[in-house]
Amino acid sequence: SQQGEEDPQALSIQEGENATMNCSYKTSINNLQWYRQNSGRGLVHLILIRSNEREKHSGRLRVTLDTSKKSSSLLITASRAADTASYFCATDPNTGNQFYFGTGTSLTVIP
Amino acid sequence: GAGVSQSPSNKVTEKGKDVELRCDPISGHTALYWYRQSLGQGLEFLIYFQGNSAPDKSGLPSDRFSAERTGGSVSTLTIQRTQQEDSAVYLCASSLTGVEQPQHFGDGTRLSIL
Repeated sequence: SQQGEEDPQALSIQEGENATMNCSYKTSINNLQWYRQNSGRGLVHLILIRSNEREKHSGRLRVTLDTSKKSSSLLITASRAADTASYFCATDPNTGNQFYFGTGTSLTVIP
Repeated sequence: GAGVSQSPSNKVTEKGKDVELRCDPISGHTALYWYRQSLGQGLEFLIYFQGNSAPDKSGLPSDRFSAERTGGSVSTLTIQRTQQEDSAVYLCASSLTGVEQPQHFGDGTRLSIL
């Protein structure tokens, strides 16, 4: 499978703490994207990082990409209860049209 | 502006029946994807449409699954002779040009096969 794998599968933290999720993938990529999914809803795009970028910020989100290790991390700082959701990484291999989603990290932020 | 719209939001049907799921992408988006998400799982790619090009059907799990995109806009995913293992949430997404752009998702159709 060319799917990404997120780690951990589940994460529970207190409000105000930082949350870190990791993603590993198998093939070379053009870009990697992170999405969040609230229960019963579709996915919402958070951030895109290209293969020639190493770090990207968006508000309380920080994404890193290490293409040599085929891994990425998503850091959410100063978490809020509203950040409770599942988070998925998705990779765009530089072959074909498919977009490969990982199995997700379920984040629970306790108020 | 309007996001991606999917209908119905829920569908319950008997095994062996055919079902048709609809997706209205964001206006102007040339790329459209269908995915399947089983309970607690990631997304499984089904099919990709890009403009007037032939669709990438490589993710369709069997010949009971088919999809069309009319006029480069609305898409329908059809499942014939449904089986219980087809029960899942079917998600549609569109993007401006293709895989290099963020995808915008609908809320999905939750399909239950009895």
